[in-house]
Amino acid sequence: SYVLTQPPSVSVAPGQTARITCGGGSFASENVHWYQHKPGQAPVLVIYYDSGRPSGIPERFSGSNSMNTATLTISRVEAGDEADYYCQVWASSRDCVFGTGTKVTVL
Amino acid sequence: EVQLVESGGGLVQPGGSLRLSCGASGFTFSDFAMSWVRQAPGKGLEWVSGISGAGGNPFYSDSVTGRFTISRDNSKNTLYLQMNSLRAEDTAIYYCAKKEGGVVQGVIDYWGQGILVTVSS
Repeated sequence: SYVLTQPPSVSVAPGQTARITCGGGSFASENVHWYQHKPGQAPVLVIYYDSGRPSGIPERFSGSNSMNTATLTISRVEAGDEADYYCQVWASSRDCVFGTGTKVTVL
Repeated sequence: EVQLVESGGGLVQPGGSLRLSCGASGFTFSDFAMSWVRQAPGKGLEWVSGISGAGGNPFYSDSVTGRFTISRDNSKNTLYLQMNSLRAEDTAIYYCAKKEGGVVQGVIDYWGQGILVTVSS
């Protein structure tokens, strides 16, 4: 089965940069989306179609996509960025796959 | 403002049934595909099912195919998930999710707060 692998956790000090990777896909042909999920809240779309940023999402959030790895970068990390982050692709026309998820901890 | 409000969750015995509803507002419901996504306790997000804006072409994850049925009533701005033959592994928070366009394969741009379904005897 199709698996998108993310690091289980990333720890970063305030003001520094967090990078979350998503591997296992054929990203040359797939669009990658990223969601932020805080406990008890609805998930929020933070990056769409590899590098698009929805309105209301700070410019500190950016996305990139190479042949085999997609990356979500959070610059100048703030305490409010602490959350779980998931990548997501359509592996086929009928197979939506989420990544394994990464917990971002702000030290 | 887009709002998605799930209802119908609760405790059900293994083998039982439950129907989830999702009331939508703040957008033209029939123009957008919708999906259900779930999160089991301590686990990550798992896509469950999706349906186009017109209500056609529903499809499902392998884990629920043959047991769950997604549907929508565009006159009531409501999305449904009929869940039959429930198993303990179906225990999760179920999220209603709106797609950016009319096809299921689009990106999810809004999510509901989620509703808990517990399958246990």
